[in-house]
Amino acid sequence: QKEVEQDPGPLSVPEGAIVSLNCTYSNSAFQYFMWYRQYSRKGPELLMYTYSSGNKEDGRFTAQVDKSSKYISLFIRDSQPSDSATYLCAIWGGYNKLIFGAGTRLAVHP
Amino acid sequence: DGGITQSPKYLFRKEGQNVTLSCEQNLNHDAMYWYRQDPGQGLRLIYYSQIVNDFQKGDIAEGYSVSREKKESFPLTVTSAQKNPTAFYLCASSIGGASDRDYGYTFGSGTRLTVV
Repeated sequence: QKEVEQDPGPLSVPEGAIVSLNCTYSNSAFQYFMWYRQYSRKGPELLMYTYSSGNKEDGRFTAQVDKSSKYISLFIRDSQPSDSATYLCAIWGGYNKLIFGAGTRLAVHP
Repeated sequence: DGGITQSPKYLFRKEGQNVTLSCEQNLNHDAMYWYRQDPGQGLRLIYYSQIVNDFQKGDIAEGYSVSREKKESFPLTVTSAQKNPTAFYLCASSIGGASDRDYGYTFGSGTRLTVV
């Protein structure tokens, strides 16, 4: 079993839709979670990070962690074509290593 | 502006040839990383270095080599032993240690390597 599982998509939604991106993880000891956004032919950039359980909001983006289910989510409200990218979840696995999901490709069409 | 510079952006390699990908950072970060990204497979760690003159193998180190002679530089050599080198290569850096769980990694823009 992989330490982090993420559906690669692709996910296609109309402009203005609410997008839900998800990852599951295997180790209940994980406590630090991140979301990266990667535009085509670019490197990933850190979008949000959260610690332990609960929600964190930043503009149209909300990161949610459910430790009981070992499930993390990124919600995008009022999605825009400029949100079209690949979104990677990442988990701090200790030993100075981030563990990345496979990434979900999102397309928001006008 | 601080950041990570990868060069070249595109690189073509002939069969049996070694090629070196450059990665330079001016963020004063201690740790540096090389990842390979293939469609549908996410990021796979090739090598990482937490301090100058020291580096460790990642999950897919075979056919690759690195050096870390300066804090700012972490070049990756793709050797002829790497049988399927066509991929997108990403270099990253981080402060290092426990700070990484709060600040994560900073990535370069990548090098696309193609075997011709």
